[in-house]
Parts: sequence; structure tokens; C-alpha cells
Amino acid sequence: AQKITQTQPGMFVQEKEAVTLDCTYDTSDPSYGLFWYKQPSSGEMIFLIYQGSYDQQNATEGRYSLNFQKARKSANLVISASQLGDSAMYFCAMREGGRYSSASKIIFGSGTRLSIRP
Amino acid sequence: DTEVTQTPKHLVMGMTNKKSLKCEQHMGHRAMYWYKQKAKKPPELMFVYSYEKLSINESVPSRFSPECPNSSLLNLHLHALQPEDSALYLCASSQDLTWDEQYFGPGTRLTVT
Repeated sequence: AQKITQTQPGMFVQEKEAVTLDCTYDTSDPSYGLFWYKQPSSGEMIFLIYQGSYDQQNATEGRYSLNFQKARKSANLVISASQLGDSAMYFCAMREGGRYSSASKIIFGSGTRLSIRP
Repeated sequence: DTEVTQTPKHLVMGMTNKKSLKCEQHMGHRAMYWYKQKAKKPPELMFVYSYEKLSINESVPSRFSPECPNSSLLNLHLHALQPEDSALYLCASSQDLTWDEQYFGPGTRLTVT
């Protein structure tokens, strides 16, 4: 069963606009971690942001924020004031068992290709 | 220094060749990972090393042989590969297995002819 779902294979956004990348997940484990990675065409996976299942507040890192809606099992990435350099593939990922578990691996979604128009 | 380096950047090899991919990190991380990524797909975990011991092998064919000679180095030895093994091979490291944030290298683009 698909554990991480990204329903937007591709998105086009005008420069300086905000953009939301969707991610839903499925787990029965009460403890889990969610994160987002950016992969430019060069290939390197760049860690962007992390949200723990017990975190009370939504995670933020500079222009990135994670809209965590636990009841809906969604963890959308919001990029404010998009820039041309934001054009890349974005992967949502989950690790069951939470931050202090050594038992589980990261599961990636299928990705969303974001293109920023000048 | 939050960098993971990988060499070579590109590799073309025949099905009878033996080659190795190298990964290095100097962040003091004790967990290191190999992922395989086919075009337009997410990365797939292959191997995990924790404190220089193999912790996870995701049922990878034996033509891929990992090695962790010390806490900073991770190798992937390749032998008798198939054309379908052509992919981007990514190395990553994390503080240890309990830590979620993994730092990735730029990858090696492998083509098997």
C-alpha cells in the first residue's frame, strides 16, 4: 500500500508567488517523522524541513513551512516568495517510529516537479 | 562541513567490468546509506551501515557489494551488472540510525552498457 502520496506530478508557478506542494501519508504508528527533500537537476537530495508527529507547532525553515494536519494525514510544503532557483523535484518522505527509533527506514513519495516561471 | 562527497560523478561500465563507487563524509556521522534512483522515480534504499556494520540490506542482488572501511568512508563494489542497473546512486549519512535528517551526496550516474 502506498504510504506517501504526492498527487501533483508537476506544477508551474510564477516567480515571487507562494506555492503549496501536497503530501498525504498513511501510517498506524502514533510516532513518525515527516520531511521534505529538494532534488535539483544536478541530482543531490537537499534536506528542507522536518515535522515530528508529536510536534505541536508546524515546522518552519526560512521560506519553507510545513502545513501539518494530523487528522487529515497531510503534510503539505509551503514555499513563500518562490524563486527561479526553487525549480526542482520535491519529495515528501516519512519515517515511522519517530526520531528516536532505529528500526525503520525512510519512505519517499513519487515527487512533484516544480517549475518557476520568470 | 555538512558535505557528503561521491566519486566518480559519472561512470560507464560494461557488463563484465568491476568498478567501485566511493562516498565520504567528515561530519562524524555514524550511519551511512546507499540509495538507487531510476529516472523520474524516488530513491530506493539499498544498504544501511551503522557504526561500520551492515544494518540493513534491502534484498539487493549480490552483484552489488557494500563496504564500510571506516566511519567516514562507504564503498559500493559493482561486478557483472546488467543494463537495468543503470541509475543514479546516492550516498547519504546521518548522525546515527535514530536521527531522521539524512545528508545526501551529489550521486554517481551509472550507465551499464
